[in-house]
Amino acid sequence: DAGITQSPRHKVTETGTPVTLRCHQTENHRYMYWYRQDPGHGLRLIHYSYGVKDTDKGEVSDGYSVSRSKTEDFLLTLESATSSQTSVYFCAISVADNQPQHFGDGTRLSIL
Amino acid sequence: SQQGEEDPQALSIQEGENATMNCSYKTSINNLQWYRQNSGRGLVHLILIRSNEREKHSGRLRVTLDTSKKSSSLLITASRAADTASYFCATDRGNNRLAFGKGNQVVVIP
Repeated sequence: DAGITQSPRHKVTETGTPVTLRCHQTENHRYMYWYRQDPGHGLRLIHYSYGVKDTDKGEVSDGYSVSRSKTEDFLLTLESATSSQTSVYFCAISVADNQPQHFGDGTRLSIL
Repeated sequence: SQQGEEDPQALSIQEGENATMNCSYKTSINNLQWYRQNSGRGLVHLILIRSNEREKHSGRLRVTLDTSKKSSSLLITASRAADTASYFCATDRGNNRLAFGKGNQVVVIP
């Protein structure tokens, strides 16, 4: 398996609280991604990064922010969590354009 | 939207049979990728086929791509119980941004 660690793996929190999810890679890959997976929607891209401090929005970025201060870490922050952000969040990495992505095992986030 | 759409949505087959899944998309692509997801796990990359390729093989997997019809198929031959999973197609929209379909649940009955 590609060296990708997501933390935490499970989290339950309350509406309105800030939440930060961490993705850590040991592969030195340039690209990193955050997706959410919901029933009936498949995987949807939230934000991605194409280098340190270089990030861009995906298709469902509202309510989320990201940061990448080091190659190995990509953080996803929900500034004020809402129940609609209850989901399973996946981090992925890729070495370059036009190459496969490798996924972590996900973080199951429940917002009550 | 360039999102891939898999068909059929769910498939149940006997061990040893072949399983075929289709994926359609709406706009031009750089490549198309197939992934597998076991319950409770992340996605695992299976095959990447580029827009100038028509067919690709990997073990018991065969992927075809028809860019004129904007469709792809994934064939799993001689299925095994371990092939039970969800299968996703994903289209590369450039800059390695993938658009995933909703997935196709495959159950292989021993």
